[in-house]
Amino acid sequence: GAGVSQSPSNKVTEKGKDVELRCDPISGHTALYWYRQSLGQGLEFLIYFQGNSAPDKSGLPSDRFSAERTGGSVSTLTIQRTQQEDSAVYLCASSFSGQGAYEQYFGPGTRLTVT
Amino acid sequence: AQSVTQLGSHVSVSEGALVLLRCNYSSSVPPYLFWYVQYPNQGLQLLLKYTTGATLVKGINGFEAEFKKSETSFHLTKPSAHMSDAAEYFCAVTLGSFSGGYNKLIFGAGTRLAVHP
Repeated sequence: GAGVSQSPSNKVTEKGKDVELRCDPISGHTALYWYRQSLGQGLEFLIYFQGNSAPDKSGLPSDRFSAERTGGSVSTLTIQRTQQEDSAVYLCASSFSGQGAYEQYFGPGTRLTVT
Repeated sequence: AQSVTQLGSHVSVSEGALVLLRCNYSSSVPPYLFWYVQYPNQGLQLLLKYTTGATLVKGINGFEAEFKKSETSFHLTKPSAHMSDAAEYFCAVTLGSFSGGYNKLIFGAGTRLAVHP
């Protein structure tokens, strides 16, 4: 079956430009997570969605970062005025939700390079 | 606050040798613990998880891990390494049943496993 998909797979942008990263979760998964993987910081949690709401945004590094989710499905992570330190792989994961250790299924990531 | 420490950013073993990847965690509440594997240019794949119950957990591809509360450890082992095991491995922790219904993963820095013929 279809897994988590992310687009684009690679994005090169100039410093100061805005970028949008897209995540299509597995159908039926109500929980959606964004993580960032960078050389200096490892794997970091960014934001969690339950349906269309984001009860935990604690990992967003600055107000240049925002995310939304529509229809309980697709999510978009937007980075405004990109900086070189934003260069990283952005990973999306989805899962069922509730009081269980539901497995998070990860997409292949979007590699963002800010020049 | 929760944290994960993986000892050894790089581990190299010979094919057929024992694989041991170390993970220690810090958590104020009983955690859920996970091991993920990442192959080049791919996302993360769950190898195994510990929630409650049996402390020796078996996962995919012949891997297993043992939860030792007294040592706050969750080391990953495989009796005999295969060339296809070469990848990066991440240990992760969540708040488990104290999470409020979701499982934000806190990851270790990762261990890159190389397997030599």
